[in-house]
Amino acid sequence: DIVMTQSPDSLAVSLGERATINCKSSQSVLYSSNNKNFLAWYQQKPGQPPKLLIYWASNRDSGVPDRFSGSGSGADFTLTISGLQAEDVAVYYCQQYYSTPLTFGGGTKVEIK
Amino acid sequence: EVQLVESGGGLVQPGGSLRLSCAASDFTLSSSWMNWVRQAPGKGLEWVANINQDGSEKYSVDSVKGRFTISRDNAKNSLYLQMHSLRAEDTAVYYCVLGRKHGWLLDYWGQGTLVTVSS
Repeated sequence: DIVMTQSPDSLAVSLGERATINCKSSQSVLYSSNNKNFLAWYQQKPGQPPKLLIYWASNRDSGVPDRFSGSGSGADFTLTISGLQAEDVAVYYCQQYYSTPLTFGGGTKVEIK
Repeated sequence: EVQLVESGGGLVQPGGSLRLSCAASDFTLSSSWMNWVRQAPGKGLEWVANINQDGSEKYSVDSVKGRFTISRDNAKNSLYLQMHSLRAEDTAVYYCVLGRKHGWLLDYWGQGTLVTVSS
């Protein structure tokens, strides 16, 4: 199984500042035949189901604000929120869809400082 | 807009059974992989199982193998999760999730249904 490790577990950021979340996989999730990283990021607000933010490591889903960006390749990935807004308070999860069992990171709780 | 509505959750005793259903509206499920993902109270996300478009491929996490069965009825535009031999650690909100862009990418989520296993 591919183990996904997120850091930090939580972070507090001032409004308008940058939040950075890291995600490491226990093995590469880069598929060589198409050069795509099978890595996604989700946002979960309290009382709501998760929402897809980023797929293929760096593609924003439809309607996702451009302050959210994903980067990285292989086994190291980053989600960046540039200019944190109050509505971004949530728990963020990374997930690999390279192989089953599909696995998630433990989550990172983002709060306002 | 895709809408996924889960049902069938509730309180069940350890060792009991439950069948979850997921109905889709404004979308034809037969064109996509479908997944079940669960979240224990106050915990993170755990993928449970998935099934391909015609039901010929199924995968599940080891902890539910032999106890849970995923299935689908494309004529009814529905997804199911039959759960047997339930344990306290199966207590969670169970989400029905569509993989439309890529079968194993979880791009549309239902609101979830709560399963509580307790005596």
